[in-house]
Amino acid sequence: EIVLTQSPDFQSVTPKEKVTITCRASQSIGSSLHWYQQRPDQSPKLLIKYASQSISGVPSRFSGSGSGTDFTLTINSLEAEDAATYYCHQSSSLPFTFGPGTKVDIK
Amino acid sequence: EVQLLESGGGFVQPGGSLRLSCAASGFTFSSYAMSWVRQAPGKGLEWVSAMSGSGGSTYYADSVKGRFTISRDNSKNMLYLQMNSLRAEDTAVYYCAKQQSSGYYSPLDYWGQGTLVTVSS
Repeated sequence: EIVLTQSPDFQSVTPKEKVTITCRASQSIGSSLHWYQQRPDQSPKLLIKYASQSISGVPSRFSGSGSGTDFTLTINSLEAEDAATYYCHQSSSLPFTFGPGTKVDIK
Repeated sequence: EVQLLESGGGFVQPGGSLRLSCAASGFTFSSYAMSWVRQAPGKGLEWVSAMSGSGGSTYYADSVKGRFTISRDNSKNMLYLQMNSLRAEDTAVYYCAKQQSSGYYSPLDYWGQGTLVTVSS
């Protein structure tokens, strides 16, 4: 099973600040890494697919990068509505796995 | 507009059974693989099971293998999860999610609102 680790676990950020979340896979997964946003009491929402591909309707301040084992989600100029938990997810091999999540709080 | 609506959650005693349903609309259901993902209270996401668009192949997490069965009825645009021998650790919100392609190896591009399963004596 591929294990995904995320850092940090929690981040408290002021609006307009830049946020960087990392996800590391226990073995190479190519670009089969996706990012989701889960706001409180809501279902997860796909933000970035295949490490860096944008999703229609997702604000351009969200971007992703990386390949192999190291990946990054960047939120440029954080807005209040970005308060959420962010999860990475690998679809390279079964069983599919998720990272433990990074909670982003707005100061 | 893609919509996924889960139902069937509830309270069940350990060892009991429950069948979850997911009604899909807004896309050609049979063309896409589907998954179930769960989230225990206050915890992260855990992939549970997936089924191909045709229904010909299925996969399960080790934690539910032999106890849960995923199925689908493409004529009714329905996805199911039969859960037997339920344990306290199966307590979670269960989400139905659409894979972005006909194959499993793709992101989950749409999620339902979830249905809560509580296993307790």
